[in-house]
Amino acid sequence: GQSLEQPSEVTAVEGAIVQINCTYQTSGFYGLSWYQQHDGGAPTFLSYNALDGLEETGRFSSFLSRSDSYGYLLLQELQMKDSASYFCAVRDYGGGNKLTFGTGTQLKVEL
Amino acid sequence: GAVVSQHPSRVICKSGTSVKIECRSLDFQATTMFWYRQFPKQSLMLMATSNEGSKATYEQGVEKDKFLINHASLTLSTLTVTSAHPEDSSFYICSASPQGNLNTEAFFGQGTRLTVV
Repeated sequence: GQSLEQPSEVTAVEGAIVQINCTYQTSGFYGLSWYQQHDGGAPTFLSYNALDGLEETGRFSSFLSRSDSYGYLLLQELQMKDSASYFCAVRDYGGGNKLTFGTGTQLKVEL
Repeated sequence: GAVVSQHPSRVICKSGTSVKIECRSLDFQATTMFWYRQFPKQSLMLMATSNEGSKATYEQGVEKDKFLINHASLTLSTLTVTSAHPEDSSFYICSASPQGNLNTEAFFGQGTRLTVV
């Protein structure tokens, strides 16, 4: 099975940079994704790493190191609207392409 | 991006009754859809994989007779919570991806907040 661990909560101030880590144990996967979910809403796709290294998409960047079984999401220039839950997720080879989510991190952005 | 629509967004039902939730892919065909359940402050837990034209694949610990899934067309999957009880109260959400896009982005319905009283 797949197991993805994240810190449960992170707090940061507006304008700051925050990093949300994801450590995983999997039997093989296509890549690591990141999703954002506001309270009561649907998850929305943020970023995807198929290969090791850094992927940048605007204020959001994501990193993957398969050798370390580790990834992170970096959020820059934090805004109040970034307060949400963030999930890493993998789509594995042998599971019919089902998506397994990490434990999730609640980000609180303060003034 | 692709659009997945889920209905209803919110439902309250009496204990012992059944509730049907619909998930539609509006602008693409989906041979596979996924149903998740999410309790407050927790992650999304996969319940089952809905396969068009065949039986759904349920995750370990999910009762197939309680959570009936039907995927009768390439754009519609339904989840029926049968004989609902208060412990079934949760946020149910479906997802799908256009064929050929299975390795990257998943698209989610708006979710259904089920409250069993």
